[in-house]
Amino acid sequence: NAGVTQTPKFQVLKTGQSMTLQCAQDMNHNSMYWYRQDPGMGLRLIYYSASEGTTDKGEVPNGYNVSRLNKREFSLRLESAAPSQTSVYFCASSEKRVNQPQHFGDGTRLSIL
Amino acid sequence: KNQVEQSPQSLIILEGKNCTLQCNYTVSPFSNLRWYKQDTGRGPVSLTIMTFSENTKSNGRYTATLDADTKQSSLHITASQLSDSASYICVVSVDNDMRFGAGTRLTVKP
Repeated sequence: NAGVTQTPKFQVLKTGQSMTLQCAQDMNHNSMYWYRQDPGMGLRLIYYSASEGTTDKGEVPNGYNVSRLNKREFSLRLESAAPSQTSVYFCASSEKRVNQPQHFGDGTRLSIL
Repeated sequence: KNQVEQSPQSLIILEGKNCTLQCNYTVSPFSNLRWYKQDTGRGPVSLTIMTFSENTKSNGRYTATLDADTKQSSLHITASQLSDSASYICVVSVDNDMRFGAGTRLTVKP
C-alpha cells in the first residue's frame, strides 16, 4: 500500500542546473498536486492536475514546469534552479479536487547552492 | 497577510495532558476546513474534514470544532501521547483553492 511515492528524497543542485522531481500514486486518483513548504509558511501550490491530460498553475508556478504523464504520474521540472527554490517539495493526490482528503508523499528535500 | 492564521506557533505539553490548537481564517465562504498532522520528515496526513454546516468532527482522540460565525476552528487533543508530537496544519478550501496555515508545532514530553 504505497500511496504517493516521491523520488528522490534528497537532492543538492548547483544554481542553473535542471532536474525533474518524480511522483506516482497507486490510488487511481484523478487529481494530483505539487506544493512547496518553506519554514514558517504554509504549503503553497505550484501546479495541479485535475485529471489526466490537464495541468493548471497554482500560487507560485514561476520557474517550474509539470507533466501529467498518465493517471499515476505527475512530474515537476526545474529548468534552471535558483537558490530561492531551495525547499521541501510535496506531491499529493485526491479523488476529486473539492471536499476530498489529499494524500501526500513524504517530500523531496531540495537544496540549491 | 495569510488568510489562515494558527496559534500558538509551538506548544509543549506533558504526556497525558489535553491541549487545544486554534485556527482563525478570513476567507469566506468556504467549502470545507481540514486539519492535517505532519510528522517530522513526513508528508501531512488528513485528520478531519468539516463542511461549513458541520460544527464538530472527531477522529479518535482528535476533535475538531468549527464556528463559522467567528471564523474559528480548534483541534482538541485528548490524553496526549508521545506520538502526537508533530505539526498540525489547518487548511481552508475556497472553491477549488486550498489555503494552508503555517501550522502549530506540538511537542509532547514524558
